[in-house]
Amino acid sequence: QVQLVQSGAEVRKPGASVKVSCKPSGYTFTGYYIHWVRQVPGQGLEWMGWINPKSGGTNYAQRFQGRVTLTRDTSISTAYLELSSLKSDDTAVYYCARRGQRLVLRTYYYYYMDVWGKGTTVTVSS
Amino acid sequence: DIVMTQSPLYLPVTPGEAASISCRSNQSLLHSNGFSYLDWYLQKPGQSPQLLIYMASNRASGVPDRFSGSGSGTDFTLKISRVEAEDVGVYYCMQALQTLFTFGPGTKVDIK
Repeated sequence: QVQLVQSGAEVRKPGASVKVSCKPSGYTFTGYYIHWVRQVPGQGLEWMGWINPKSGGTNYAQRFQGRVTLTRDTSISTAYLELSSLKSDDTAVYYCARRGQRLVLRTYYYYYMDVWGKGTTVTVSS
Repeated sequence: DIVMTQSPLYLPVTPGEAASISCRSNQSLLHSNGFSYLDWYLQKPGQSPQLLIYMASNRASGVPDRFSGSGSGTDFTLKISRVEAEDVGVYYCMQALQTLFTFGPGTKVDIK
């Protein structure tokens, strides 16, 4: 069964950093990109970035550039999101999601988020 | 950035009746391959989002056939042919054309 297991809830003070983990199972870790998406309480979904677990290559949403770092440890098949200089409005649930794919017209790949973790709640409060 | 809008934002439904959600983008989501890069996700209460529809009209694995997606370019629709109690939650459209993926604000579907 394919699943993404995320680390537990975290509480941090403003200005601190937090590191959230995401451990896939049921498939080859290096075979699929991992997205990170957050949801501020009572609000919608916001894409933060993705990581290629095979190469370590990353792509970040511009608004998080300089504050977010996506990494992975292939030895333990785990992806990480680290967010620094935390502010109160970073209080959110952080999800990891697998980038699934479908071959289209035998030429293009269409990508989607087909498996999601249960989310990690990060609370930023003084 | 591509901006996604949805309507309505709240949709009370009667079980067994049909429901429809509209999603619009401020730029065309039509790829050069002829397909529109638009997904639909459902977030049930207390759960993570789950993929319902990808590439505007393709049901994800395990999604009941009462769900259907249509549209192209900038206008898309998600239809539920006969709503069931388990369909309650917030439905999000998301554009997948640009790497800065953006979601709509969500449509909350609830039982009357």
